[in-house]
Amino acid sequence: DTEVTQTPKHLVMGMTNKKSLKCEQHMGHRAMYWYKQKAKKPPELMFVYSYEKLSINESVPSRFSPECPNSSLLNLHLHALQPEDSALYLCASSQVPPRAAGELFFGEGSRLTVL
Amino acid sequence: QKEVEQDPGPLSVPEGAIVSLNCTYSNSAFQYFMWYRQYSRKGPELLMYTYSSGNKEDGRFTAQVDKSSKYISLFIRDSQPSDSATYLCADNLNTNAGKSTFGDGTTLTVKP
Repeated sequence: DTEVTQTPKHLVMGMTNKKSLKCEQHMGHRAMYWYKQKAKKPPELMFVYSYEKLSINESVPSRFSPECPNSSLLNLHLHALQPEDSALYLCASSQVPPRAAGELFFGEGSRLTVL
Repeated sequence: QKEVEQDPGPLSVPEGAIVSLNCTYSNSAFQYFMWYRQYSRKGPELLMYTYSSGNKEDGRFTAQVDKSSKYISLFIRDSQPSDSATYLCADNLNTNAGKSTFGDGTTLTVKP
């Protein structure tokens, strides 16, 4: 079983809704990540938090707003999304620096559908 | 040109076959080479990694890196139906980066 827990597993939202994805890990990792994965495509990095500070933002549209309230939690706030934002959103964590070659521990993902 | 190119697949083999999964990369600065396995509707999990050139073996799995040709491979011996998944190669510049560059993945099906 994964040690990175993501909720909800599935989310359907309209383009005017506001929702949040949540991620939690208790491995003592101080780096946390959001990735977006479309069907049959590799994960694409969105954000990296290191020691609860945003360290990488891969030019993600502002309708995605990350938040890291503490070292165990990572949120992704969603607002005014577009249908093309429908994807699997993966949270990951790692040690800082990553223990082994950027070893990432992924959650099972939140599957988002935007209508 | 994509930094990491992976043989697209899909790949279907009978149980017990030897499987070869391959990637090429273009950035000579890459130092770490990882293989992730992703089961359907799950997140990826790190299977193996190698640093620089050479081989690394873990049970039925062998990861191989040839930096001279910028070629990385994952071999699976005595493949099992439980090996059916998508395999993603990923490369890293250094351990601090936190930015792995993933290949597109190869979907493997091992038929009993």
